[in-house]
Amino acid sequence: QSVLTQPPSVSGAPGQTVTVSCTGDSSNIGAGFGVHWYQQFPGTAPKLLIYGSRHRHSGVPDRFSGSQSGASASLAITGLQAEDEAVYYCQSYDMNLRGLLFGGGTKLTVL
Amino acid sequence: QVQLQESGPGLVKPAQTLSLTCTVSGESLDSGVYYWSWVRQHPGKGLEWIGYIYYYGSPHYNPSLKSRVSISVDTSKNQFTLTLSSVTAADTAVYFCAKGEGGTNHDFGNWGPGTLVSVSS
Repeated sequence: QSVLTQPPSVSGAPGQTVTVSCTGDSSNIGAGFGVHWYQQFPGTAPKLLIYGSRHRHSGVPDRFSGSQSGASASLAITGLQAEDEAVYYCQSYDMNLRGLLFGGGTKLTVL
Repeated sequence: QVQLQESGPGLVKPAQTLSLTCTVSGESLDSGVYYWSWVRQHPGKGLEWIGYIYYYGSPHYNPSLKSRVSISVDTSKNQFTLTLSSVTAADTAVYFCAKGEGGTNHDFGNWGPGTLVSVSS
């Protein structure tokens, strides 16, 4: 079964930089499919942050950036702010599933 | 500004059929550009892609749900509908409709607020 693996949680102090990883395999990220990142606050719909692995969606601060290497992708958040505390999801396409796949989500705690 | 809004019953009995509608404003469903999609989120869990409909192609579904799911479009009302048959408690979730853009590996730049559907007798 295809999965995109994210750490359950990450944390950082205000002003610091945190990264959230998303690890796939040769049927998804490793096959060259881009990764999209979303931010979700409790009780609300996800918001698109990054599309195509590194392109910021309209209105997203440049503190958020994305990268991809091999079968993994990362979301970096610099200058951490209290308002960044949320759950972050990665998403890509999977050839075995022949459809879209989400990571399990990473809870970011701002200390 | 594209806006999406889910509607439908909040409670469905086991073995019955769940039907949700997404009303879209600010974009025409027959533009042939976007992938009109459904995503769900079980309570306290992550996101699960259900499927999409693309105006010029056949609907495409998550294999885990394929035998029970159907997505259709009503261009006269600018709505698309999710139908999930033979529901169980495992189908209790918040259901989101979303606009996908960017080809097969599309991203979701616009979402509805989501609607909670509980399956219970």
